Amino acid sequence: AQKVTQAQTEISVVEKEDVTLDCVYETRDTTYYLFWYKQPPSGELVFLIRRNSFDEQNEISGRYSWNFQKSTSSFNFTITASQVVDSAVYFCARTGGGNKLTFGTGTQLKVEL
Amino acid sequence: DGGITQSPKYLFRKEGQNVTLSCEQNLNHDAMYWYRQDPGQGLRLIYYSQIVNDFQKGDIAEGYSVSREKKESFPLTVTSAQKNPTAFYLCASSPPQGPTNEKLFFGSGTQLSVL
Repeated sequence: AQKVTQAQTEISVVEKEDVTLDCVYETRDTTYYLFWYKQPPSGELVFLIRRNSFDEQNEISGRYSWNFQKSTSSFNFTITASQVVDSAVYFCARTGGGNKLTFGTGTQLKVEL
Repeated sequence: DGGITQSPKYLFRKEGQNVTLSCEQNLNHDAMYWYRQDPGQGLRLIYYSQIVNDFQKGDIAEGYSVSREKKESFPLTVTSAQKNPTAFYLCASSPPQGPTNEKLFFGSGTQLSVL
């Protein structure tokens, strides 16, 4: 199976620290999409970003930024100046095998005061 | 507001019992999905449906059944054949092209536990 690996199970930071969540994926496809979702304690997954495999430009959205490196099959997510509201489980996902998303195991981020 | 509604939020199942989890969406999406979330295992696809009256098995369909009689509704039945049903179940939907081009919209989930 083509996996999505999020090696960091849990990360704890103090508010205002920068934090990077790692995502490494496997794929045999030439065209695919990568996603990041946030799951706050309420349980619902919230979409953060979608990246096409042909677009390796890094993206910044407010305090969030994403670094896509096709050469290393990585799609890392950085939160700058973290806040308590950023505390959540973050999932990386990849399309493949038709209309299916393969998710990583998630990284629990805890931001403390 | 458009969205996905899952009910109930908490559900308990007795030994040998079938239970049904509800998922309703008013986003006019064609595709709907059921995922199972276990601690430390991420989300795994149970079933998905791309159009009314049609659905396909995902990666862990054994012990589950679904129906798609209406565009808005995609109920999931956890049958007695599912020996380890305790998990958090998430329903999702997407526009016709599916997650290849579009993001998934998720409900707030149902926590199923065994009594």
